[in-house]
Amino acid sequence: NAGVMQNPRHLVRRRGQEARLRCSPMKGHSHVYWYRQLPEEGLKFMVYLQKENIIDESGMPKERFSAEFPKEGPSILRIQQVVRGDSAAYFCASSLADGNQPQHFGDGTRLSIL
Amino acid sequence: SQQGEEDPQALSIQEGENATMNCSYKTSINNLQWYRQNSGRGLVHLILIRSNEREKHSGRLRVTLDTSKKSSSLLITASRAADTASYFCATDAGGQNFVFGPGTRLSVLP
Repeated sequence: NAGVMQNPRHLVRRRGQEARLRCSPMKGHSHVYWYRQLPEEGLKFMVYLQKENIIDESGMPKERFSAEFPKEGPSILRIQQVVRGDSAAYFCASSLADGNQPQHFGDGTRLSIL
Repeated sequence: SQQGEEDPQALSIQEGENATMNCSYKTSINNLQWYRQNSGRGLVHLILIRSNEREKHSGRLRVTLDTSKKSSSLLITASRAADTASYFCATDAGGQNFVFGPGTRLSVLP
């Protein structure tokens, strides 16, 4: 499967723990986007990265959230000291370039905070 | 309201009927995209229409764009039960990321 791969599909954490969500973009794609989706709602943009660079993080909460896209390996969305309100589906998308290119989405990671 | 906002929020039709969903946005765009999301899955890209285009077709899908009214419509002809999903429009708003609307939940009844 050459599509966008996200893991894990489901992640359960207790309040105060850390959550790490991984995204492997489609082969050849160097642009990665992270979104958050609450039930029955649309996607909210969080962060846009290219290899080793954060291009736009205007949708990321200032505290506890961070993202990276290293030269080698998947993109990681990290949430420290999780709270109940972090429970959501987190989707990753990749594209060949920004702007006028379609985004290809993974099936998401559903994060549940106990 | 948001940059991209779909209307109606929910739509229920019989198999074989046509389904029309609308999207309105606020600021100038370079392009507008429509996506579909099945329950529990990621979004699937359907059509991208550029700001200098007025209409685009793909199979049973027809998308129109009216930049003077800042609106777009997605028409699904001869709907099937498998078309049941949520449909989202996304606009680039001149920036480097996309803004998604809250979506239209389409139910096609057999």
